[in-house]
Amino acid sequence: SQQGEEDPQALSIQEGENATMNCSYKTSINNLQWYRQNSGRGLVHLILIRSNEREKHSGRLRVTLDTSKKSSSLLITASRAADTASYFCATPQRDNYGQNFVFGPGTRLSVLP
Amino acid sequence: DGGITQSPKYLFRKEGQNVTLSCEQNLNHDAMYWYRQDPGQGLRLIYYSQIVNDFQKGDIAEGYSVSREKKESFPLTVTSAQKNPTAFYLCASSMEGSPLHFGNGTRLTVT
Repeated sequence: SQQGEEDPQALSIQEGENATMNCSYKTSINNLQWYRQNSGRGLVHLILIRSNEREKHSGRLRVTLDTSKKSSSLLITASRAADTASYFCATPQRDNYGQNFVFGPGTRLSVLP
Repeated sequence: DGGITQSPKYLFRKEGQNVTLSCEQNLNHDAMYWYRQDPGQGLRLIYYSQIVNDFQKGDIAEGYSVSREKKESFPLTVTSAQKNPTAFYLCASSMEGSPLHFGNGTRLTVT
């Protein structure tokens, strides 16, 4: 079951510009995570924001979380060509067995030099 | 260095053959996961395991099987019953409450 939904599906910007990606989810969460995937590689964790946090920063990354709207955004400032990748949000969910993670379809970011 | 190793990176098989994808981690993580990714799409959960000798079906388990005989290893078998097996397969592990660590994937092509 897909919980997170990112938009836009694809984003193309010039180097130096900011990139904003959005994620919506359906159920209540303890935290929301953002991952990056370079083409043909595994995903790499970028940042985790807890449900009691509204904003978090890590280097050029800024993540916001609005639990009332069940949405999150990832902002990459002063983008570089090396930021070209797909970005996914993920929410942990718990069932009778244990914890698993639900991913959205992702946003493909292209940063043009 | 700790991490997750998936092998092989590329795998080619004929239709009707079973194939096993390897996933090994030395992070001492309890939980391990298998995801499938199709071109331009997100990740879908196939199977996951919280402890040795135990595992749970995910959203798309039909045509797949797993085992967890050791904490470090979580191999995935793609059986001939899987109707559309060509995809990118990702293995991941985590500790409770922590983010996922991923391997670099196996690209399976079945012809």
